[in-house]
Amino acid sequence: GENVEQHPSTLSVQEGDSAVIKCTYSDSASNYFPWYKQELGKRPQLIIDIRSNVGEKKDQRIAVTLNKTAKHFSLHITETQPEDSAVYFCAADQGGKLIFGQGTELSVKP
Amino acid sequence: GAVVSQHPSWVICKSGTSVKIECRSLDFQATTMFWYRQFPKQSLMLMATSNEGSKATYEQGVEKDKFLINHASLTLSTLTVTSAHPEDSSFYICSRGFPGREQFFGPGTRLTVL
Repeated sequence: GENVEQHPSTLSVQEGDSAVIKCTYSDSASNYFPWYKQELGKRPQLIIDIRSNVGEKKDQRIAVTLNKTAKHFSLHITETQPEDSAVYFCAADQGGKLIFGQGTELSVKP
Repeated sequence: GAVVSQHPSWVICKSGTSVKIECRSLDFQATTMFWYRQFPKQSLMLMATSNEGSKATYEQGVEKDKFLINHASLTLSTLTVTSAHPEDSSFYICSRGFPGREQFFGPGTRLTVL
């Protein structure tokens, strides 16, 4: 089955800096890769997603890149703000069910 | 607005009792829904796929006799934690969606077993 590895587990940046979170997956059949932001005690919120026929996607300060050959994808947040502080999860879609990475706790210091 | 609801949002029970969690698809008839479990400071782990009108498909390591899933209608899936123990205390979240498309998550149910 699919296995998703996510790094780093924690990330601390200064406000205004960029943050990058990386994930690798094992199943080459996976073709949809969403990223979620989760605040304590809340449901995950989709922040951006990418499909395997696209190499990069951007939405304002957030971008995701995908390298199908290497089976890795990354989340890029630019001009970070304190409200970006949360836990971020990557995931790979296996026929509708999501296999999540371990999560990254992002802390943006003012 | 929310497209998937869960009830209850939190529950506290005594060890050995059973707890039922409901997951409703509010805007779409869902033949398939998913159940996840999340322990504190950990990731979401898929427990099972709930299939309307047929048996659920459980992930490896998930006890099907302990976590009973019923998907009796196109808008309702239920997860029953039978004979709950403290180690079952967790955040349980359901979702619905289609392959390759956005999943819609319920708000989650916090289960605490004393």
